[in-house]
Amino acid sequence: DVKVTQSSRYLVKRTGEKVFLECVQDMDHENMFWYRQDPGLGLRLIYFSYDVKMKEKGDIPEGYSVSREKKERFSLILESASTNQTSMYLCASSLGQGNNSPLHFGNGTRLTVT
Amino acid sequence: AQSVTQPDIHITVSEGASLELRCNYSYGATPYLFWYVQSPGQGLQLLLKYFSGDTLVQGIKGFEAEFKRSQSSFNLRKPSVHWSDAAEYFCAVEGNYGQNFVFGPGTRLSVLP
Repeated sequence: DVKVTQSSRYLVKRTGEKVFLECVQDMDHENMFWYRQDPGLGLRLIYFSYDVKMKEKGDIPEGYSVSREKKERFSLILESASTNQTSMYLCASSLGQGNNSPLHFGNGTRLTVT
Repeated sequence: AQSVTQPDIHITVSEGASLELRCNYSYGATPYLFWYVQSPGQGLQLLLKYFSGDTLVQGIKGFEAEFKRSQSSFNLRKPSVHWSDAAEYFCAVEGNYGQNFVFGPGTRLSVLP
């Protein structure tokens, strides 16, 4: 079974802090994704990566960056956290291009920025 | 561009009753379709997927979904709902070999005892 692990379930940070959200998958998946989920807005894609050191912007990349130094790990970085980044963040992975495989999600990180 | 609509924001059913959650998609080619379920405070769990072949697909927890190309629909059904099915349900479409998933806004299911 695919396991996607997000390092924190809950985080509370102050405005202006640099925040790292970590995600690790154990199934050698090529694709990894970061979404944020907000009531009434559904899931919105922030960034995704289809290979080590490769990244693509999603629908709402502003205020975020990502890092993928190893295949199994995909980090989301908030350079200077703001209150409007309070949200649920979901990491996901999938097998890779050319493979019609579903997304496998972690349990999410609920981030509160005060 | 792909899009997914789920017309019902919130549905309430009694335990033991049948359930149908609606999903309509917009996509130019053959879509790959998914249903996910999210319990409170959790990530999304895959219920079932459709790639090709038989248009009626079976999933986990007794759920099934039917792909109807003529109606651009992929509705989720369950013949008898259990209280543990209370959750939020998301329909999704993917059309770029695993790199471009679009999710619907979700339908929240409440189950009355």
